[in-house]
Amino acid sequence: EPEVTQTPSHQVTQMGQEVILRCVPISNHLYFYWYRQILGQKVEFLVSFYNNEISEKSEIFDDQFSVERPDGSNFTLKIRSTKLEDSAMYFCATARQLNTEAFFGQGTRLTVV
Amino acid sequence: QKEVEQNSGPLSVPEGAIASLNCTYSDRGSQSFFWYRQYSGKSPELIMSIYSNGDKEDGRFTAQLNKASQYVSLLIRDSQPSDSATYLCAVKRENTDKLIFGTGTRLQVFP
Repeated sequence: EPEVTQTPSHQVTQMGQEVILRCVPISNHLYFYWYRQILGQKVEFLVSFYNNEISEKSEIFDDQFSVERPDGSNFTLKIRSTKLEDSAMYFCATARQLNTEAFFGQGTRLTVV
Repeated sequence: QKEVEQNSGPLSVPEGAIASLNCTYSDRGSQSFFWYRQYSGKSPELIMSIYSNGDKEDGRFTAQLNKASQYVSLLIRDSQPSDSATYLCAVKRENTDKLIFGTGTRLQVFP
């Protein structure tokens, strides 16, 4: 069964460092998303990406965040200068079409120290 | 008012019983509704989607939607200990990208 693949599974970084989280979407899916979940809290939307551009973003997704699909397969989330409060699980999700089911990857646990 | 509300639980049911999980939402423009299961430390796993009023059944799971009451529920029949997890309700407005999640209801199924 096709699945969304995320790497790394766990990343520890020092405050102020840049991190790149990677996702390989399900092959025929066109809509890509990043969500995050701070420990003990709800899953929160960060950004959606379609046709090589951002289609929607939340207030959380400020100038420190960026997304791209550099090689037509990987979908990446970059955090330029990490803060302690960026520590969370980051989930990539993909969907075949708008308004269809989104399937989540296994997540990357980001720990900022 | 929270956009998507769920009772945090835990909801404890005996093995073999029916578990009933409820969710209310505030945005009347919501058009798509989803139930995800999340085991501790894992990612959300899609269980059911429902788009129109009424019931939708898939195996032991039944999703129920009432748009007039802004209410969506998930019934799990013949509950198993492996069903023990947090169940997340998520809603989406038509033609928007983002899922709005509730905080989830923790279900415990005891033998």
